[in-house]
Amino acid sequence: GQSLEQPSEVTAVEGAIVQINCTYQTSGFYGLSWYQQHDGGAPTFLSYNGLDGLEETGRFSSFLSRSDSYGYLLLQELQMKDSASYFCAVRDAHQAGTALIFGKGTTLSVSS
Amino acid sequence: EAQVTQNPRYLITVTGKKLTVTCSQNMNHEYMSWYRQDPGLGLRQIYYSMNVEVTDKGDVPEGYKVSRKEKRNFPLILESPSPNQTSLYFCASSLSSGGGEQFFGPGTRLTVL
Repeated sequence: GQSLEQPSEVTAVEGAIVQINCTYQTSGFYGLSWYQQHDGGAPTFLSYNGLDGLEETGRFSSFLSRSDSYGYLLLQELQMKDSASYFCAVRDAHQAGTALIFGKGTTLSVSS
Repeated sequence: EAQVTQNPRYLITVTGKKLTVTCSQNMNHEYMSWYRQDPGLGLRQIYYSMNVEVTDKGDVPEGYKVSRKEKRNFPLILESPSPNQTSLYFCASSLSSGGGEQFFGPGTRLTVL
């Protein structure tokens, strides 16, 4: 079957560093993405890893290890506005093309 | 402005009354998809489309239909809505089916009584 596992909740304080892990099990694999969603809003794209290694975009970094079926999102210098839900997602091989499978999300709460 | 639009944003309806949620993108994207989001379950893909006239089922297609007659539009049809289809629905598009950014619409909150 297809599944993605990520922690349901993470809490941290402003200025801290947080790592959100994601492990996946899929029949095919075309890369790992991360999305952010604030309450009541639409998911917005943060990063994509097609190959092993680290991708850095400002305060956010994402890592992928295909051999371990594992990735993480690293958020540095946390700000209050980073309080949101974070979803990992994988492209999975499917009959006609590729379907996007999302994890259930990690709620990050940043306090002052 | 590059965007994905959905209509309506909010809808309250009754069981069995057919409805359509429209989705349109102005980015010439090939790949479009529909998701539903329920508390504790994350985003689950309903249907997706690789291009015009090419659609396929996602994880939770039961009770839904889609069509892709034009590249920019990807409507979601509920022929006979039931209360278990009460949910927040998102349409999304991306340049291709490969990895990379999906652009999401603002969402449609549907309540079926």
